[in-house]
Amino acid sequence: GDSVTQMEGPVTLSEEAFLTINCTYTATGYPSLFWYVQYPGEGLQLLLKATKADDKGSNKGFEATYRKETTSFHLEKGSVQVSDSAVYFCALSPSGYSTLTFGKGTMLLVSP
Amino acid sequence: DADVTQTPRNRITKTGKRIMLECSQTKGHDRMYWYRQDPGLGLRLIYYSFDVKDINKGEISDGYSVSRQAQAKFSLSLESAIPNQTALYFCATSGPVPGQGLETQYFGPGTRLLVL
Repeated sequence: GDSVTQMEGPVTLSEEAFLTINCTYTATGYPSLFWYVQYPGEGLQLLLKATKADDKGSNKGFEATYRKETTSFHLEKGSVQVSDSAVYFCALSPSGYSTLTFGKGTMLLVSP
Repeated sequence: DADVTQTPRNRITKTGKRIMLECSQTKGHDRMYWYRQDPGLGLRLIYYSFDVKDINKGEISDGYSVSRQAQAKFSLSLESAIPNQTALYFCATSGPVPGQGLETQYFGPGTRLLVL
């Protein structure tokens, strides 16, 4: 079945540091790929998405590129802020469906 | 006002008790979902419904049941709660992102359940 693997956290960074959170997936066909963010005490919110190979999703300074050859969708940000501290989830949706398979989540902690 | 609401937000119950978690949405979406979140395990799908007459089991449906009372309401029941059902439960709907031509899921704030 479909699966998503994320790097384990927590990831601890200083403000303005570069962020990478790795995500790889296993799926048949051509899934859509997503990053969701969960701030403390809240539900998940869509951060960005990509629906086909080589698509780049971007939002709030975060980016991720759909790499079919490496089945990856790594999340990056050039300069993190304290307010980016949250749990980040990589997810996929099989083509033509709206169910999501989530990774286990990666906690990001940014210190001033 | 929140588009996806869940009640209660916190609940403590005892082993063997029946409890119901409720979800309501004002987004007008047909598709609704129940997930549980456990530390280190991410989110796992319990049940989902693509319309009022459609109910589907997810990855971990054993010990749970659902009811889709209306387009806007989707309830999750634990018929006889057990301690390993202690978790954070999320309801979600799915629908289009305005102006972006894609579909995503919209999550409620979660219900924290403790089974003693």
